Amino acid sequence: GESVGLHLPTLSVQEGDNSIINCAYSNSASDYFIWYKQESGKGPQFIIDIRSNMDKRQGQRVTVLLNKTVKHLSLQIAATQPGDSAVYFCAENSMGNQFYFGTGTSLTVIP
Amino acid sequence: DAGITQSPRHKVTETGTPVTLRCHQTENHRYMYWYRQDPGHGLRLIHYSYGVKDTDKGEVSDGYSVSRSKTEDFLLTLESATSSQTSVYFCATVRLGSGNTIYFGEGSWLTVV
Repeated sequence: GESVGLHLPTLSVQEGDNSIINCAYSNSASDYFIWYKQESGKGPQFIIDIRSNMDKRQGQRVTVLLNKTVKHLSLQIAATQPGDSAVYFCAENSMGNQFYFGTGTSLTVIP
Repeated sequence: DAGITQSPRHKVTETGTPVTLRCHQTENHRYMYWYRQDPGHGLRLIHYSYGVKDTDKGEVSDGYSVSRSKTEDFLLTLESATSSQTSVYFCATVRLGSGNTIYFGEGSWLTVV
């Protein structure tokens, strides 16, 4: 089956610095990817998505990059703030409405 | 906000008792899912539904059953709770569009003692 994983389980950054969270996927047929943020005690919250026909997509302070050649995507958070502290995980969508999720990276922002 | 409400949000139950978790959505989405989230495993699919009375098993369905008698409600039942079912349970719906975006409820924390 598909596997979606993260290179780093934890990440600590200084407030104001940029954060980069990585994700690897194994199913080359996946055509849609989503990044989620999950705060302690809450449900996953949609951040940004990207389709496989794109390499880059920008949102408010966040950018997702997709490298289909090496089956890798990343989430970049600009000017990281304490409120960004959370677990971030990626999801891939293939075969219609089946989704596969990574285990997540815990981001800690140091004031 | 995907209009998903889960109940109960927290529950402690004894081994061997039946437990039902309820998911209610207000946006008339066709697809609904139940996931469990455990440390080191990420989100794992228990059951899903493509419509009223149309359900199917996910990767960790043993010990769970579901029902969907109305579009807005998707129930997850643990027929006889075990300690291995202590987990956080998330209901989700899919918003169809250029990408099928999945949205989650706030979770139900279940402890089986």
